[in-house]
Amino acid sequence: EDQVTQSPEALRLQEGESSSLNCSYTVSGLRGLFWYRQDPGKGPEFLFTLYSAGEEKEKERLKATLTKKESFLHITAPKPEDSATYLCAVLGGSSNTGKLIFGQGTTLQVKP
Amino acid sequence: DSGVTQTPKHLITATGQRVTLRCSPRSGDLSVYWYQQSLDQGLQFLIQYYNGEERAKGNILERFSAQQFPDLHSELNLSSLELGDSALYFCASSPTPQADTQYFGPGTRLTVL
Repeated sequence: EDQVTQSPEALRLQEGESSSLNCSYTVSGLRGLFWYRQDPGKGPEFLFTLYSAGEEKEKERLKATLTKKESFLHITAPKPEDSATYLCAVLGGSSNTGKLIFGQGTTLQVKP
Repeated sequence: DSGVTQTPKHLITATGQRVTLRCSPRSGDLSVYWYQQSLDQGLQFLIQYYNGEERAKGNILERFSAQQFPDLHSELNLSSLELGDSALYFCASSPTPQADTQYFGPGTRLTVL
């Protein structure tokens, strides 16, 4: 069964303190791995899509990487406005559907 | 703003009642997805429609049903509501039914009293 595990569950950083969030996945035939940011009570906001091992994507202070078993979201010199829950999701299997399997998320708090 | 709209934003109702949640996808997107987010379960896939046809089903209860209309908007119907149905319900859309990035709406918060 497809599964996504994110760690840590919660992360507290000081402003400017870089760190990484982990997303481990088990899926039969990865068709895509997605990172979203979610603020409390809001809808998930798309960040990145990764399709194959070795791929990297960057946006401002965020960089996502992908291996055959996990993905990392690296946050460089975070600011308080980066505080949010970061969700990882995978799309797998051979069926032609868009069923995303989500991890439980990592809640990031960046203190000034 | 993702371009996906959902109404209403909040819904408060009683057990046993029936409600309808509405979603309009981004312009040009043919596929619509419904997800449920509760505190203990995280984001769970419910159902997917593509160009009016059901494409995939997740762990959707029999009390729940959905449809996608010719203008591509979608409705999620929840009936015989229970306290445990209280959650955030999100709609997402994408241009095609597979592998595309899904863009999420702002959600409907359902509270069942």
